[in-house]
Amino acid sequence: EVQLLESGGGLVQPGESLRLSCAASGFTFNIYAMSWVRQAPGKGLEWVSVFGGVDGRAIYADSVKGRFTISRDNSINTLYLQINSLRAEDTAVYYCARGAGSPHYFDSWGQGTLVTVSS
Amino acid sequence: EIVMTQSPATLSVSPGERATLFCRASQSVSSNLAWYQQKPGQAPRLLIYGASTRATGIPARFSGSLSGTEFTLTISSLQSEDFAVYYCQQYNNWPRTFGQGTKVEVK
Repeated sequence: EVQLLESGGGLVQPGESLRLSCAASGFTFNIYAMSWVRQAPGKGLEWVSVFGGVDGRAIYADSVKGRFTISRDNSINTLYLQINSLRAEDTAVYYCARGAGSPHYFDSWGQGTLVTVSS
Repeated sequence: EIVMTQSPATLSVSPGERATLFCRASQSVSSNLAWYQQKPGQAPRLLIYGASTRATGIPARFSGSLSGTEFTLTISSLQSEDFAVYYCQQYNNWPRTFGQGTKVEVK
């Protein structure tokens, strides 16, 4: 069974940094592209970033480019999202999602971790 | 960026009735369109990919189609567990983009 478990969220002040983690199990992690998708309170879904499986390419949404860094450690089946210079508009539940197919859609999602940016 | 537009924003349906949700892309996405269901406090769940292929374990009452440039998600006979928010998403281009969602509520 595919499992994705996010952690690392919390209450932070504007300008601070945070690193989110997504621990994966139940599948061959290193061959799958993995994404972060966020959802602000009461709002819709916004794709944030992807780290490719085979190609190892990182792509970012324009809204986070230069502040967010996605990475992965295939030896421990974990995806990361480093978030710097946090803003109030980054407040959201952050989900990690597995990419399936080519081009890929998101076939499995974690339960999410809440990031709240407030002074 | 491709803009996905869903309609209606809210759909009021009685249990057992049919629900039809629409999604349109601002430019061609071929058949690279997925539908997700999200219930309050839960993560999204993949329902449909490739515009019309049901994901593993998704009941047959959910179906997807493409007609011209408009995608449709149909729930043939709404069950109590189907009341939720539904999102379409294109995966033809980066960035991946979602529609704003359609809330299916009890009439």
